[in-house]
Amino acid sequence: DAGVIQSPRHEVTEMGQEVTLRCKPISGHNSLFWYRQTMMRGLELLIYFNNNVPIDDSGMPEDRFSAKMPNASFSTLKIQPSEPRDSAVYFCASSLVLTEAFFGQGTRLTVV
Amino acid sequence: GDSVTQMEGPVTLSEEAFLTINCTYTATGYPSLFWYVQYPGEGLQLLLKATKADDKGSNKGFEATYRKETTSFHLEKGSVQVSDSAVYFCALSATYGNKLVFGAGTILRVKS
Repeated sequence: DAGVIQSPRHEVTEMGQEVTLRCKPISGHNSLFWYRQTMMRGLELLIYFNNNVPIDDSGMPEDRFSAKMPNASFSTLKIQPSEPRDSAVYFCASSLVLTEAFFGQGTRLTVV
Repeated sequence: GDSVTQMEGPVTLSEEAFLTINCTYTATGYPSLFWYVQYPGEGLQLLLKATKADDKGSNKGFEATYRKETTSFHLEKGSVQVSDSAVYFCALSATYGNKLVFGAGTILRVKS
């Protein structure tokens, strides 16, 4: 398996624009997680899905952020409108019950 | 809520020195404990894990023992190499395969 695949690896966008980050989990995994990494706040869980259903979205910063998982092999994290303070590295991870989480390489988002 | 505290860095060592990175946790019940490593520009990789008290996780010369009495999971390596330079994250999961709570991360720099 190729592991967790995220795209794009880097994204630079202007404030106010919509940004969509994509994630393909490892085949067969039934849990998917979105994390955000910043210098100030470290690694924070934004949302996680189990069997494509959002279980805990308490980490989503505000209504500008939304996440979907339309099927077992794809998830998106959308920011609309984007702001400079959203600049961070966003990681997607997947796991199966009773296994550890595997992380993608991340998307580095810069909002100017 | 659950939390992880790890020693602040950066930690700077000479090659072949002994490494200890302290990690303590607060959690209800019996969480699973992990060490993840992040190399520059990369995602997080699982280094080792322990799922119950007194378990010892080990990988690539690194070890950590799950100590319930002291709520600790300190990372050790007997002889570090330059290639071990990275950021190390201690983490817990209340349910194995479930969401992770991370410590702030410790930067390790090994000089030749």
